[in-house]
Amino acid sequence: NAGVTQTPKFQVLKTGQSMTLQCAQDMNHNSMYWYRQDPGMGLRLIYYSASEGTTDKGEVPNGYNVSRLNKREFSLRLESAAPSQTSVYFCASTFNRLLGYEQYFGPGTRLTVT
Amino acid sequence: KNEVEQSPQNLTAQEGEFITINCSYSVGISALHWLQQHPGGGIVSLFMLSSGKKKHGRLIATINIQEKHSSLHITASHPRDSAVYICAVRIQGAQKLVFGQGTRLTINP
Repeated sequence: NAGVTQTPKFQVLKTGQSMTLQCAQDMNHNSMYWYRQDPGMGLRLIYYSASEGTTDKGEVPNGYNVSRLNKREFSLRLESAAPSQTSVYFCASTFNRLLGYEQYFGPGTRLTVT
Repeated sequence: KNEVEQSPQNLTAQEGEFITINCSYSVGISALHWLQQHPGGGIVSLFMLSSGKKKHGRLIATINIQEKHSSLHITASHPRDSAVYICAVRIQGAQKLVFGQGTRLTINP
């Protein structure tokens, strides 16, 4: 099993450009999450998907959209990138969020917006 | 005040020392997670606990629900234990994890 995979690993964007971060898991997990990690701050939840077909906002959703394409895939889109979105983005998945199952993280995408 | 506070923020020790990292939280929780983030950036789950104590190799995690406190211990520390250790809690009735800011641990040979 590959676990949780993310693409790309690195990306540089100019202000105003758009891009989609891809995430896929092969563990048959129900719930998937997108986080951002900034220096000096803990991981912050952008959006999550409790199950296929549902998505909900997290702590810092502004400037982002998500799509739960199927049970395996959960993408994060930046429609008009801003320098404040320079961060490391992690995707994670878990089997059953309500029972607090452990989360499995992807390797991260390091995004720089100039 | 953050809902999850970790201490210390940075910790440097010599190989072989016993390490303790603390996590305090201010809300009711259904579970607490300890995560490890290596210098390369990858994050792995070490423990998930809702009561008592868990042990895996040289790592031990404890939680005291009444005192809203958890500790992560590393026995016989090794330079490969150098990483950022992150505490996260799942708030009762909520659908997300809340993360501490992490503790950067450096073990010198």
